[in-house]
Amino acid sequence: SQTIHQWPATLVQPVGSPLSLECTVEGTSNPNLYWYRQAAGRGLQLLFYSVGIGQISSEVPQNLSASRPQDRQFILSSKKLLLSDSGFYLCAWSERVNTGELFFGEGSRLTVL
Amino acid sequence: SQKIEQNSEALNIQEGKTATLTCNYTNYSPAYLQWYRQDPGRGPVFLLLIRENEKEKRKERLKVTFDTTLKQSLFHITASQPADSATYLCALGGGSNYQLIWGAGTKLIIKP
Repeated sequence: SQTIHQWPATLVQPVGSPLSLECTVEGTSNPNLYWYRQAAGRGLQLLFYSVGIGQISSEVPQNLSASRPQDRQFILSSKKLLLSDSGFYLCAWSERVNTGELFFGEGSRLTVL
Repeated sequence: SQKIEQNSEALNIQEGKTATLTCNYTNYSPAYLQWYRQDPGRGPVFLLLIRENEKEKRKERLKVTFDTTLKQSLFHITASQPADSATYLCALGGGSNYQLIWGAGTKLIIKP
């Protein structure tokens, strides 16, 4: 069966520090991969998605970046965090078919102080 | 712009009753609609998908309807249980870039 792992689960970072959140998927090949951010009381906001190794599409301009160094690995990064980057970050995968459901990781709670 | 609305206030339902959650949208013609369940501090879990040409979908105690004329989907949980307490999210799809449009979710509380 397929599984998705996302880490770290929580982290507290000072403003201006770097960020790296990692996500890996097991049990499937060539998945679509996604990074979402969820703010309290608001819908999920798509940050990045990827249809293949090295292929990243950004939906929202910001100081975050994403990379896909391997087929089932997706990384969210920042060189310098802002206070506004605080939030709940979710990695997800789906099959190639566009109408397929999303399978989410457990999420990463980021607090920038 | 596209807009999707779910009940912003928590919905309190007595155990055993049917819980009905609403998802309304404007300025969009989705090809499908999905419902997810999210527990506090966890990632959403997929429940049901209904396509634009389907009126109703069922899965065990869950039922989803999709009215493209009213631009509304209803999500029903019959014989509700305290374990059904969670936030339920709806998401519209069918556009380009694999992008789903997400509602903010409705918090459902089932009281014993």
